[in-house]
Amino acid sequence: DGGITQSPKYLFRKEGQNVTLSCEQNLNHDAMYWYRQDPGQGLRLIYYSQIVNDFQKGDIAEGYSVSREKKESFPLTVTSAQKNPTAFYLCASSVQGGMETQYFGPGTRLLVL
Amino acid sequence: GQNIDQPTEMTATEGAIVQINCTYQTSGFNGLFWYQQHAGEAPTFLSYNVLDGLEEKGRFSSFLSRSKGYSYLLLKELQMKDSASYLCAVKLTGGGNKLTFGTGTQLKVEL
Repeated sequence: DGGITQSPKYLFRKEGQNVTLSCEQNLNHDAMYWYRQDPGQGLRLIYYSQIVNDFQKGDIAEGYSVSREKKESFPLTVTSAQKNPTAFYLCASSVQGGMETQYFGPGTRLLVL
Repeated sequence: GQNIDQPTEMTATEGAIVQINCTYQTSGFNGLFWYQQHAGEAPTFLSYNVLDGLEEKGRFSSFLSRSKGYSYLLLKELQMKDSASYLCAVKLTGGGNKLTFGTGTQLKVEL
């Protein structure tokens, strides 16, 4: 089955620790995205990538980093510089251009210990 | 900046019709999406409008007026499973499929 997978479902971070969230897709999509969702709020764009080896900052990139070494994979690292990392993180992918929607993974809930 | 407004919460009765409004002010417009999101789950695609008018898809319809910066999602024959958050998102011009999301409308369907 084609789709987007995210792991883990729940992740705990200690103070000062970097953690990496995984996102993999087998839809052959060029574009991938990372969003953060806080309670009662909409999705805010962290980073996006339109093609392998290229990515751009979204609206709230501070304290996060990404890489796009393979078309299928777009991992997100939440660094210790992100002071309020507790949130629901959603990864999405889409084809480029047109009226194509973004398809979302099941999400990772990050909690700070 | 980008601004997308939706009501925070709405309540409706099973079997009824509900309209969820979305107004937007964005620097560029290349289409508007509606997503449904159940608590703790990923958003799922409902509809896409890029031209003015009504798009109908089963129990769900979506309307767009570009000149007014306005869209609505119409849900008919409401079912309990329609209780969810409904997200309005605008696709911006200028590269990629970047979306800007509203805060979402939490719909509660009651008996």
